[in-house]
Amino acid sequence: DIQMTQSPSSLSASVGDRVTITCRASQGISNSLAWYQQKPGKAPKLLLYAASRLESGVPSRFSGSGSGTDYTLTISSLQPEDFATYYCQQYYSTLRDTFGQGTKLEIK
Amino acid sequence: EVQLVQSGAEVKKPGESLKISCKGSGYSFTSYWIGWVRQMPGKGLEWMGIIYPGDSDTRYSPSFQGQVTISADKSISTAYLQWSSLKASDTAMYYCARGGYCSSTSCYPPPGLIDYWGQGTLVTVSS
Repeated sequence: DIQMTQSPSSLSASVGDRVTITCRASQGISNSLAWYQQKPGKAPKLLLYAASRLESGVPSRFSGSGSGTDYTLTISSLQPEDFATYYCQQYYSTLRDTFGQGTKLEIK
Repeated sequence: EVQLVQSGAEVKKPGESLKISCKGSGYSFTSYWIGWVRQMPGKGLEWMGIIYPGDSDTRYSPSFQGQVTISADKSISTAYLQWSSLKASDTAMYYCARGGYCSSTSCYPPPGLIDYWGQGTLVTVSS
């Protein structure tokens, strides 16, 4: 089974900061990686897929990169609405441990 | 507009059965996989399983195999998640989610890539 390790588990930052979240797969996943944003009490929302492709309607300050086993989500200039929990997900193999454990992004 | 509308919150006792639903609209229900995701209180997302309503092909995460049943009724564009005997540890928010698309010849994106989510169904199991 593919394990997804996301770091950090929490992060404090200020509006305007650049932040990076990392996700590592236990084996290569051929860029079959998505990033989701979840706000309290809401369903997750797709931000990026195929490691770096921005979902329609998602602001361009969100970007993704990586290959093989290592992937990153970058927010270039944090906005107030970006404070949320972020999850990576591998869809190379649709089995357990598909999601990372999440990164909670909080206001400093 | 694509929508996944889930049934309302449930409060059940241990040992009871339950079936929650997810109605899809605004797209071809039989052409996209639909998955279920669990989120226990204060915890992360867990992939439970997925079904292709077109032919009822169903796959389960090993963690949930035998614990739940996923089904779909394509005549009413509705997917289901069912328990035969609930436990307190089943207390969680459950989301349905639309996965990848399949045509008559191929599937892309892969089943597990989720682009739309339901609003969630909160299941509380308590004596």
